[in-house]
Amino acid sequence: QKEVEQNSGPLSVPEGAIASLNCTYSDRGSQSFFWYRQYSGKSPELIMFIYSNGDKEDGRFTAQLNKASQYVSLLIRDSQPSDSATYLCAVRGINDYKLSFGAGTTVTVRA
Amino acid sequence: NAGVTQTPKFRILKIGQSMTLQCTQDMNHNYMYWYRQDPGMGLKLIYYSVGAGITDKGEVPNGYNVSRSTTEDFPLRLELAAPSQTSVYFCASSYHPYLSGTSGSYEQYFGPGTRLTVT
Repeated sequence: QKEVEQNSGPLSVPEGAIASLNCTYSDRGSQSFFWYRQYSGKSPELIMFIYSNGDKEDGRFTAQLNKASQYVSLLIRDSQPSDSATYLCAVRGINDYKLSFGAGTTVTVRA
Repeated sequence: NAGVTQTPKFRILKIGQSMTLQCTQDMNHNYMYWYRQDPGMGLKLIYYSVGAGITDKGEVPNGYNVSRSTTEDFPLRLELAAPSQTSVYFCASSYHPYLSGTSGSYEQYFGPGTRLTVT
């Protein structure tokens, strides 16, 4: 079973600051990496995916992947109170359609 | 499109009872999944299906059964409910073109979840 580790938090950041979330994974053959956002009592929704080393930006979100070090991170710039949620990291291996999820990092953006 | 729908939203079961959690998707996705999420934990895969008539076990299949008679429906059956099955259950679906490999997002779309308590 692939291990996916995240800091559980909570991560508290002031409004307008950058929130930085990290995720490490154990399977060096992992191929695709996903960040899901989950509001309390709701289902997960995909916000970013990445499968090449480097950075990928989408609006205020930037995903960073370093396969050699086996970590993927998510930066949330100009954090807003609406960004307060749990962020789940998920990993998919080669020739595998299943995802392995981390336990999630809870982010609280304080006004 | 309604996307992925799940019923019921909430359910309380007594130990030893059985029930079926319903999941339906109207996106013509070939892959469907059942996950459970315990407080403070990530999603654990219970069962998945790559198409009608084909199912396979995930990480935590014990105590559950599934069937996939149509593309749209993927019910999860709990037999002899136990307190350890108290959890939130999510159904998800995704589309994977056959022979396309595994690169790309192939986003999983999640249903709203079923909160199950076994007492």
